[in-house]
Amino acid sequence: SQTIHQWPATLVQPVGSPLSLECTVEGTSNPNLYWYRQAAGRGLQLLFYSVGIGQISSEVPQNLSASRPQDRQFILSSKKLLLSDSGFYLCAWRAGGGNSPLHFGNGTRLTVT
Amino acid sequence: RKEVEQDPGPFNVPEGATVAFNCTYSNSASQSFFWYRQDCRKEPKLLMSVYSSGNEDGRFTAQLNRASQYISLLIRDSKLSDSATYLCVVNESRGSTLGRLYFGRGTQLTVWP
Repeated sequence: SQTIHQWPATLVQPVGSPLSLECTVEGTSNPNLYWYRQAAGRGLQLLFYSVGIGQISSEVPQNLSASRPQDRQFILSSKKLLLSDSGFYLCAWRAGGGNSPLHFGNGTRLTVT
Repeated sequence: RKEVEQDPGPFNVPEGATVAFNCTYSNSASQSFFWYRQDCRKEPKLLMSVYSSGNEDGRFTAQLNRASQYISLLIRDSKLSDSATYLCVVNESRGSTLGRLYFGRGTQLTVWP
C-alpha cells in the first residue's frame, strides 16, 4: 500500500532562517506531488505541485521554493523565513489521472518567531 | 466567485442526530468530487468519493447534483467522534491528465452528548 512521510512534525524557526521540509512517498511510481499551506482558521492554499522529476509548478509567488530531486521525494524550501510563513504545511500525493483523490502527509506545523 | 463554497457552520448537533452539509461548485466541467474530514491540528483525510449515482458508506451518504452543481454529505446517527471539519473537494478537468483540485473552506461540526 502507498504511504506518505513528512517531517518534521513541528518546527520553530526564527525570522530570516532557512527552511527545508521533506516529503517522501512509498508504494507508488510517478505520483503527482503537492505542497499546501493552511494558516490558522483558514482554508488550504496550494503552493506547488509536480507531475514529475524536476517539474515544479508554482501557484503563489512568495519566498518559498520546491524541488523534486527524485520521483517520490518533494522538498519545500526557503532561504529566509518571514513571520507570515507560519502555518501548517501539508505534503500530498495522488496517482496520475484526473479523477484520483489526494492523500496527505501528517503535516508540519511551522512557527516563525 | 469562489470555485467551491461551503457553509462554514458551525453545526452543533446532539448525538444521534442527522446532519447534512452542502457544497456548491462553479465549474460545470468538474469531473470528480470528494469529501474529506479534518480533525483539529491534523491533516485532511479522505472520507469518501462522490459518485453521480450517489453512494453510501455506513452512516455517511454522499450525493451529487450536476444540474444544480452541488454535492452533499449526510451523516446519520451522529457520534461524538464525528466532530471535525468537513471539506468539500472538486476536481476540475481541463483536458489534461492532471485535474485541478479545489477545496472548500470546510464546515465545522460539533456533536455533543
